[in-house]
Amino acid sequence: AQTVTQSQPEMSVQEAETVTLSCTYDTSENNYYLFWYKQPPSRQMILVIRQEAYKQQNATENRFSVNFQKAAKSFSLKISDSQLGDTAMYFCAIITGNQFYFGTGTSLTVIP
Amino acid sequence: EPEVTQTPSHQVTQMGQEVILRCVPISNHLYFYWYRQILGQKVEFLVSFYNNEISEKSEIFDDQFSVERPDGSNFTLKIRSTKLEDSAMYFCASRRTRDTEAFFGQGTRLTVV
Repeated sequence: AQTVTQSQPEMSVQEAETVTLSCTYDTSENNYYLFWYKQPPSRQMILVIRQEAYKQQNATENRFSVNFQKAAKSFSLKISDSQLGDTAMYFCAIITGNQFYFGTGTSLTVIP
Repeated sequence: EPEVTQTPSHQVTQMGQEVILRCVPISNHLYFYWYRQILGQKVEFLVSFYNNEISEKSEIFDDQFSVERPDGSNFTLKIRSTKLEDSAMYFCASRRTRDTEAFFGQGTRLTVV
């Protein structure tokens, strides 16, 4: 079975600052993909960034980047230059085979 | 940009009634999912669907639940006899292949009274 753990239920960051959201996972699979999804107050699930487990290079999407440590099974999300619109729930997820497994989420608040 | 659409956005139903939640996945996608999220809680997997049949389902997806893809475009989730604890946000998602990310719809908020 796969598990995803997000140990920070809530976080806050000052606008324009950098924040890191942590995620650890457990899987016995060799091939898997990792994702961060953002869920704003509208409650829609929006893909932020993805990482293929076979790639050593950390994924980057504009202000969002990950620190993927495969041996440690860690997949943290760094948000640089935080903006008010980044306020949302962030879910870490792993997909192996046909099913997504989500963490419990981190509620991020960007403070003006 | 193609997107997954769900209707209705909000459904209120009486306990014991049947509801059908509708989803239109992205047109060239092959894998379809339903997830639910009880307010303030984690996102829970319900069922995955591929090649016109259920490929996996969770313990939550009991005999009260069913899914269909009746016409090659819509993907529906039916709850036969709703219970109060079925109140949640229900998300449909689709993927093009097993190796790509899932795209989620905007969700249907189901309220059972």
